[in-house]
Amino acid sequence: EAGVAQSPRYKIIEKRQSVAFWCNPISGHATLYWYQQILGQGPKLLIQFQNNGVVDDSQLPKDRFSAERLKGVDSTLKIQPAKLEDSAVYLCASAATGGGSPLHFGNGTRLTVT
Amino acid sequence: AQSVTQLGSHVSVSEGALVLLRCNYSSSVPPYLFWYVQYPNQGLQLLLKYTTGATLVKGINGFEAEFKKSETSFHLTKPSAHMSDAAEYFCAVQTNTGNQFYFGTGTSLTVIP
Repeated sequence: EAGVAQSPRYKIIEKRQSVAFWCNPISGHATLYWYQQILGQGPKLLIQFQNNGVVDDSQLPKDRFSAERLKGVDSTLKIQPAKLEDSAVYLCASAATGGGSPLHFGNGTRLTVT
Repeated sequence: AQSVTQLGSHVSVSEGALVLLRCNYSSSVPPYLFWYVQYPNQGLQLLLKYTTGATLVKGINGFEAEFKKSETSFHLTKPSAHMSDAAEYFCAVQTNTGNQFYFGTGTSLTVIP
């Protein structure tokens, strides 16, 4: 099966600019996650979707971050305006419904904010 | 909320030596447990998982882990380290409701030739 696709792989922007990341999950996976991974740390959940509804966005900085999952498939994560501390790898993951179903990760987008 | 503790942010072993990476979780109800590996500039890849049944689970690349409910642990082992095992390893817990995952802070494994 095709894996989780993410683009772009790398992005360099200046602070206060905006940026968007795209994710296409594994076909049939109802749950989609966006994680932020700062260098040397574990993934931190930003937002979790179940189909096209939000399950958990408690750690999403909503003043600058937004995400959507139209039609319950692809998803985009946007940052506007970016700050220096947003420099990180943004990982998208998907999972089938059901306990014990593992997360499947994309290769991530490495964002550098200068 | 769940918490996952990985003891030792950096572990070094000699090639051919035993690898032991520690993971403890906090939960009164046994959750689902996972180990992931991350190579540089890549996403996380599933090594193995425990859901139910046999408490010793085998994964890819010769790794295995044992679920010990009494110790709330899920330590990862490999009998003989290989240079290609050098990577970051993450333990994760999935709640048995809501499909929520919690990750440890990771352990960086270095293999010394």
